[in-house]
Amino acid sequence: DTEVTQTPKHLVMGMTNKKSLKCEQHMGHRAMYWYKQKAKKPPELMFVYSYEKLSINESVPSRFSPECPNSSLLNLHLHALQPEDSALYLCASSREWVAGGQEETQYFGPGTRLLVL
Amino acid sequence: KQEVTQIPAALSVPEGENLVLNCSFTDSAIYNLQWFRQDPGKGLTSLLLIQSSQREQTSGRLNASLDKSSGRSTLYIAASQPGDSATYLCAVSGSNYKLTFGKGTLLTVNP
Repeated sequence: DTEVTQTPKHLVMGMTNKKSLKCEQHMGHRAMYWYKQKAKKPPELMFVYSYEKLSINESVPSRFSPECPNSSLLNLHLHALQPEDSALYLCASSREWVAGGQEETQYFGPGTRLLVL
Repeated sequence: KQEVTQIPAALSVPEGENLVLNCSFTDSAIYNLQWFRQDPGKGLTSLLLIQSSQREQTSGRLNASLDKSSGRSTLYIAASQPGDSATYLCAVSGSNYKLTFGKGTLLTVNP
């Protein structure tokens, strides 16, 4: 099973709302990632968690708050977003983050399409 | 700063044709290179990962090669099918272990 699930599939929120995106994997992977993808652009890395610890924050604004409650679950808490934050948010996981080999193959979820009004 | 370029940006071929997608990167100090496909509005599907010590990887009708010293990779798709239509993304992992993506090649295979 190489499945990463993400909920919800679609989300519409106002600029004053608080919402959360959820990502789950049951492959025993110890690295999980959040990416942001705008239309017709490649994914941009936001955060990396390795063994449930935040390892990389790509200078993401504090209105995005990641959380890794356990090794299978990754959340992205959203608050006071701007319309320019509208994008496809992708979660990914890999067996390891820093291994140098096939263990780094990243498996992506289907994404959450976010629209901020 | 690593830059990844994919050529062509778009490609349209008739069904059954063999084709090659190209990826180049500016910093040859990479740990691995991955090829992904993305269907419209969907997530990415990993196709192949080539470690820096390897020259190629094969999976079914797909063959990816890596020439690290020249900063190039190719993805060869044999006997293309309409179901292969998607955007193909190349990504390299360097010393910071972060993936740097190219902008992708939009492939259309016509029946």
